[in-house]
Amino acid sequence: QQQVKQSPQSLIVQKGGIPIINCAYENTAFDYFPWYQQFPGKGPALLIAIRPDVSEKKEGRFTISFNKSAKQFSLHIMDSQPGDSATYFCAASITGGSEKLVFGKGTKLTVNP
Amino acid sequence: DVKVTQSSRYLVKRTGEKVFLECVQDMDHENMFWYRQDPGLGLRLIYFSYDVKMKEKGDIPEGYSVSREKKERFSLILESASTNQTSMYLCASRYGQVPKYEQYFGPGTRLTVT
Repeated sequence: QQQVKQSPQSLIVQKGGIPIINCAYENTAFDYFPWYQQFPGKGPALLIAIRPDVSEKKEGRFTISFNKSAKQFSLHIMDSQPGDSATYFCAASITGGSEKLVFGKGTKLTVNP
Repeated sequence: DVKVTQSSRYLVKRTGEKVFLECVQDMDHENMFWYRQDPGLGLRLIYFSYDVKMKEKGDIPEGYSVSREKKERFSLILESASTNQTSMYLCASRYGQVPKYEQYFGPGTRLTVT
């Protein structure tokens, strides 16, 4: 119930491609869904976040799509660049509940030049 | 800029040693967290603290303890290090109780227990 399942574990795309990372959850009480980006040797940093009252949120080349009925959300990276190569984590939490974020297991993205 | 610093980037310890990992944040954040990161397992919460001297167990607290004597500092203690505690340890801090606020992570400490 508290898990967030993330796929794929790794992803390789060419520059300009559109990698898509998917996450699924079971607990319908989750109401905050952030994505964190981690470069090698660094800690994760917040990339973009969404709440379930919207189906899509876009920030620059990064878009979150949210499907409440399917309990799934995904990250799309438009016109991907080698500098986007990083590990991406989805997460979920409950406002007013535990202070904890539940993280997916991560996706290692490689964008080849 | 929020800054979360961790006392060591790399640490090598022997089995049975007591290990202290220190984390300091400079933004007066109430909440602080310790995670471990392992390949294929993602980020797993060990302990968190929402106030000075307050602590809550996370998902994998066994073999660990924590200390928060001052608001800016959160320490993770391995009472008797074991080889299965070889991992990357990440500290994070966050303003307030509500999860919508960003968690700021430190650069991590890669601990090797031999």
